[in-house]
Amino acid sequence: AQSVTQLDSQVPVFEEAPVELRCNYSSSVSVYLFWYVQYPNQGLQLLLKYLSGSTLVKGINGFEAEFNKSQTSFHLRKPSVHISDTAEYFCAVTTSGSARQLTFGSGTQLTVLP
Amino acid sequence: EPEVTQTPSHQVTQMGQEVILRCVPISNHLYFYWYRQILGQKVEFLVSFYNNEISEKSEIFDDQFSVERPDGSNFTLKIRSTKLEDSAMYFCASARLNSNQPQHFGDGTRLSIL
Repeated sequence: AQSVTQLDSQVPVFEEAPVELRCNYSSSVSVYLFWYVQYPNQGLQLLLKYLSGSTLVKGINGFEAEFNKSQTSFHLRKPSVHISDTAEYFCAVTTSGSARQLTFGSGTQLTVLP
Repeated sequence: EPEVTQTPSHQVTQMGQEVILRCVPISNHLYFYWYRQILGQKVEFLVSFYNNEISEKSEIFDDQFSVERPDGSNFTLKIRSTKLEDSAMYFCASARLNSNQPQHFGDGTRLSIL
């Protein structure tokens, strides 16, 4: 079975500052990794995904994440955040042998301050 | 861009009553999922559905839960006799063929059991 740990439940940051949201996973098999964003009263929107190949993946809204197999991490980064980035961010993992169910982390609330 | 739609957005039900949550997945998707998120907790996998049958289910998905694809477009989750602890946000998701295709989520149904 796989698991996901998001180390920070809340991350406040000032507008235009860089941000990193941390995610670590554990799995005994190869994984596919995802970041989803949830704005208030909305569903989960895919930000980016790592399937294979280049370990640095770019997503929507200027976000990127780096897959580090040795550290079993998939941290999300943005060089300069906007007020509109305020939301809950979820890291998720699935494996090819799991009927594709997603295992989610507990989420990180990113609050961008003016 | 096509999206997953869920109805109703909010359902209030008396304990012990049956409730049906409805979802219309993206039309060319073949895998369907239900997840739930109890307030303040992680998003949890409930069940996956493919080729008109359940492909995987979690421990949460006990005998009071059932899923159905009654026609070519809808995908429903039925809770037969609701309990207070069933109060949660329920998300439907769908995906295309391969295990590395991301799941697309609806905006969720907030279920409140009184």
